[in-house]
Amino acid sequence: NAGVTQTPKFRILKIGQSMTLQCTQDMNHNYMYWYRQDPGMGLKLIYYSVGAGITDKGEVPNGYNVSRSTTEDFPLRLELAAPSQTSVYFCASSLLQGTYEQYFGPGTRLTVT
Amino acid sequence: GQQVMQIPQYQHVQEGEDFTTYCNSSTTLSNIQWYKQRPGGHPVFLIQLVKSGEVKKQKRLTFQFGEAKKNSSLHITATQTTDVGTYFCAGGRAGGTSYGKLTFGQGTILTVHP
Repeated sequence: NAGVTQTPKFRILKIGQSMTLQCTQDMNHNYMYWYRQDPGMGLKLIYYSVGAGITDKGEVPNGYNVSRSTTEDFPLRLELAAPSQTSVYFCASSLLQGTYEQYFGPGTRLTVT
Repeated sequence: GQQVMQIPQYQHVQEGEDFTTYCNSSTTLSNIQWYKQRPGGHPVFLIQLVKSGEVKKQKRLTFQFGEAKKNSSLHITATQTTDVGTYFCAGGRAGGTSYGKLTFGQGTILTVHP
């Protein structure tokens, strides 16, 4: 299993541009999450999904959109990028049983200038 | 909303010294998880605590969950250079749409001097 994969690894955007961060998991996990990590601020939940077709907002959803058309994929869309969205973005997944531990992808480092 | 505070933010130790990080929640938790993130890496799950007063050990690491299920700690005995990284606690709430969601603390950055 590849686990959780994210693309791209790095990206530089100009203010006002849009992009989609891709996330795929091959563990058949029903829960998927998007976090952003700013220095010294821990991980903030942007959006999460409990299964295909179901998404909900986390703590910091403004400026982002998600969709979950399949169990495997959970893309994060940034519309009209702003400097405040400069961050490291992590996708994670978990199974709704057992320890509910979250498996994280390697992250996408995004800079908006 | 739920807040999870973690202290200290930074800890510098000499190799062989002990290290402790503390986590406090504004609300009662259903469970608490701990993650480690190596520099430049992604968070990796260490353990989950569920029961009030629970203590679990993993080699040199000891995890505790408070009696009121609002605080937790991670203690590392005799640190090694391989322990370097950021340690996060993450609290979970039970029920409804909160199931499976975690609120992460800010993390404690541990550096170990050889």
